[in-house]
Formats: sequence, C-alpha cells, structure tokens
Amino acid sequence: KQEVTQIPAALSVPEGENLVLNCSFTDSAIYNLQWFRQDPGKGLTSLLLIQSSQREQTSGRLNASLDKSSGRSTLYIAASQPGDSATYLCAVPSNSGYALNFGKGTSLLVTP
Amino acid sequence: GAVVSQHPSWVICKSGTSVKIECRSLDFQATTMFWYRQFPKQSLMLMATSNEGSKATYEQGVEKDKFLINHASLTLSTLTVTSAHPEDSSFYICSAPRSGSTDTQYFGPGTRLTVL
Repeated sequence: KQEVTQIPAALSVPEGENLVLNCSFTDSAIYNLQWFRQDPGKGLTSLLLIQSSQREQTSGRLNASLDKSSGRSTLYIAASQPGDSATYLCAVPSNSGYALNFGKGTSLLVTP
Repeated sequence: GAVVSQHPSWVICKSGTSVKIECRSLDFQATTMFWYRQFPKQSLMLMATSNEGSKATYEQGVEKDKFLINHASLTLSTLTVTSAHPEDSSFYICSAPRSGSTDTQYFGPGTRLTVL
C-alpha cells in the first residue's frame, strides 16, 4: 500500500524566509503528485500538480519538484508571508485508481 | 475551475441519530466521487468510493452499513452516517475527478460533523 510521509510535521519561520517542505512516497509507480493547502477547519486548495513525466512545476512563489525514482517531492516557498500560514498536504493517487493517499501534512506558521 | 459543493458545511446532532451529507459537482459530471474523513491533527483518509449506478466500495475498516453512500446521479453523491456516535465526529470531505480524467480532483469544502 502506498504510504506518504511529510517532514517536518511543523515549521515556524519569520516572514521573508525561503523554505522547503518534504514529501516521500513508498511506491514510485505514480502518475502524478499534488500539493494542497488547507486552512484550519477548511477544505483543500490545490496548489500544484506534477505529472510523472515532469520534474517540477511552478506557480508564483511556489515551486514543486518530483523525483519519482527516489520517491520524493519538495515544495519550495519563496519569500514567505504570514498569509502562507496553513497546513500543506502532499498526495499521490492510490494504486487502485484516482483516490488520493495523503501525507499528514506540514503545519506552517510564518510570523510577521 | 470546476466546483464541488457540500451541504451542510457543519452539523451538530445527538448520538443515535442519522446525518446525511451531500456532495455535488456543479459544472461537470462525475461518475466517481470519493469520501474522505479527517480527524483533528490527522490527514485525510479515504473512506469509500462512490460509483454512479453501482454500489460504493469501502476501504478496510469502514463499516458499509454505518456509512451509507448513494450516488444518485452524475452530479450528486450522498453520505449518510447512521446511528451516529461521538467517535464519528470528524471532518468529512468529498472529491470528484471529471469523468474520464486522471488529473486534478476537485474537492468540496468539507462538512464538520459533531455528535453529542
């Protein structure tokens, strides 16, 4: 069964810092990987989707990379802002179909 | 982008009652929808796959007689928590891929269930 691990579980940084969130998965036979943002008590906002044939995707200050062979992905956030404070979830499709396997997330706090 | 709605956004009920949660794809058809559950400080865990026109498939450890799923149409799936107990209190989120698509899934905003 696919397992997704995210490190660190929590992170606190001052505003303006660049930071990296890590995600690893046990089964490298994935066809894509997604990063989501979740605000407290809210649903999910899709940030970036990387197809298995891609190595990275960028959206604004966010850059996600994917190394399928090593089972790793990173989410890089540049020039962090207090509004970036949220939980960031990494997810890959399950072995059986479109349902997603999620990591436990990284809780990010960006302090002014 | 595509929109998935859930209703209600939150519900409080007494132990022993049943609660129905709706998940709708507003601008696309979804032959499959997924129901996830998220306990505090935990990640989302898949509960079941809702299939239009056929029975839902449940993940190991999820009681199908307790969590009734009905995929009534190509835009609506419902999850009914029967005889709810406090341990069922959780955040329930649905998602739907566009029919025929293997790309991004669209998530509903979630339903917070509190069972007293």
